[in-house]
Amino acid sequence: ILNVEQSPQSLHVQEGDSTNFTCSFPSSNFYALHWYRWETAKSPEALFVMTLNGDEKKKGRISATLNTKEGYSYLYIKGSQPEDSATYLCAYHPVNDYKLSFGAGTTVTVRA
Amino acid sequence: EPEVTQTPSHQVTQMGQEVILRCVPISNHLYFYWYRQILGQKVEFLVSFYNNEISEKSEIFDDQFSVERPDGSNFTLKIRSTKLEDSAMYFCASSPDYLQNIQYFGAGTRLSVL
Repeated sequence: ILNVEQSPQSLHVQEGDSTNFTCSFPSSNFYALHWYRWETAKSPEALFVMTLNGDEKKKGRISATLNTKEGYSYLYIKGSQPEDSATYLCAYHPVNDYKLSFGAGTTVTVRA
Repeated sequence: EPEVTQTPSHQVTQMGQEVILRCVPISNHLYFYWYRQILGQKVEFLVSFYNNEISEKSEIFDDQFSVERPDGSNFTLKIRSTKLEDSAMYFCASSPDYLQNIQYFGAGTRLSVL
């Protein structure tokens, strides 16, 4: 069992504020780290796939960084908006293993 | 934009009954997966399917579970005799390749076993 941990479990953010949260994963035999955004009753939406140490990816106000040597990734939301409210899941898989191992998610609630 | 669709969105069944959860993956995808999330727990892998056969399955995926791709478009998960502990959200996912392995998820089927 591959241990993927996310923290915090939940956070509340004031509209307009920026926030970030973490995902930790096994650093050995790393292949890829995925971030998903999941709103209730909808499909988890793929945000990023990150494979290289030092990778930084950006999609609008959301960005992510990756450190494969120490086994962590940060997701940043700049200038949070109510529509950013969702659960953000990270998922990891090592080399030669295509099933995803998920963290428990960070649930973000943006207050207007 | 192409999407993975799952039906039904909610299935209620009695313990011991058979259920079939249905998925239509994105049409040109080659790799298919089932995951589930028991309330309050992490999303966990059940099974992967490629080239019309199971490529990997988890410990959860015992003899009570089976998958099929009967007609080249649908991808089904069958539970032969449901147990209370099978109650969960079941997600189907598909991927076009294994290199980037971006898995596209359906919205899930909530299975409630009474």
